[in-house]
Amino acid sequence: QKEVEQDPGPLSVPEGAIVSLNCTYSNSAFQYFMWYRQYSRKGPELLMYTYSSGNKEDGRFTAQVDKSSKYISLFIRDSQPSDSATYLCAPGLLSGGYNKLIFGAGTRLAVHP
Amino acid sequence: DTGVSQDPRHKITKRGQNVTFRCDPISEHNRLYWYRQTLGQGPEFLTYFQNEAQLEKSRLLSDRFSAERPKGSFSTLEIQRTEQGDSAMYLCASSGPGQRGYNEQFFGPGTRLTVL
Repeated sequence: QKEVEQDPGPLSVPEGAIVSLNCTYSNSAFQYFMWYRQYSRKGPELLMYTYSSGNKEDGRFTAQVDKSSKYISLFIRDSQPSDSATYLCAPGLLSGGYNKLIFGAGTRLAVHP
Repeated sequence: DTGVSQDPRHKITKRGQNVTFRCDPISEHNRLYWYRQTLGQGPEFLTYFQNEAQLEKSRLLSDRFSAERPKGSFSTLEIQRTEQGDSAMYLCASSGPGQRGYNEQFFGPGTRLTVL
């Protein structure tokens, strides 16, 4: 079993839809939870991160963490074609003095006009 | 400074050849990471530098791989005697003091390696 599981998709939605992206993880030691967005042939860019269980909102994006069930979600409201990308969840922890991130495989999202 | 840069962006080589990639981190960042990403997978950690010291290496980093960060600035990743299984995107990231602190790793565009 992988430490971080993520449905690879692809997920295809119409413009304006609400998108729900999910991850599960197995290591209860993870201390913070990140979402990265990766456009084709580009490096990942950080969208959001949170330390605690609960919701964190940033514009059209909401990150949700449930540590008790080891479940991470990212919601995108009013999705736009420019949101078409691969979304990577990445829980992390301090290990050996550095910030160790474990990436999921990513979910490919396509938002069509 | 506009971000992390990597060179070359693409590299095609024949099996058995040596290749070297370069990463220039964001200038004030003292932490530097190398990752490998294969098609349909997320980035996998390879190694970590704090300043010039290499503090962590993944088991994925076989003895054919070596990374350096002389003077704590740019870093190089060398693969000797390349194999077809080395074909992947090699990503560099850096982190340092900033609004989001050391937790945010800024990624470069990657070097795509194809081993024929």
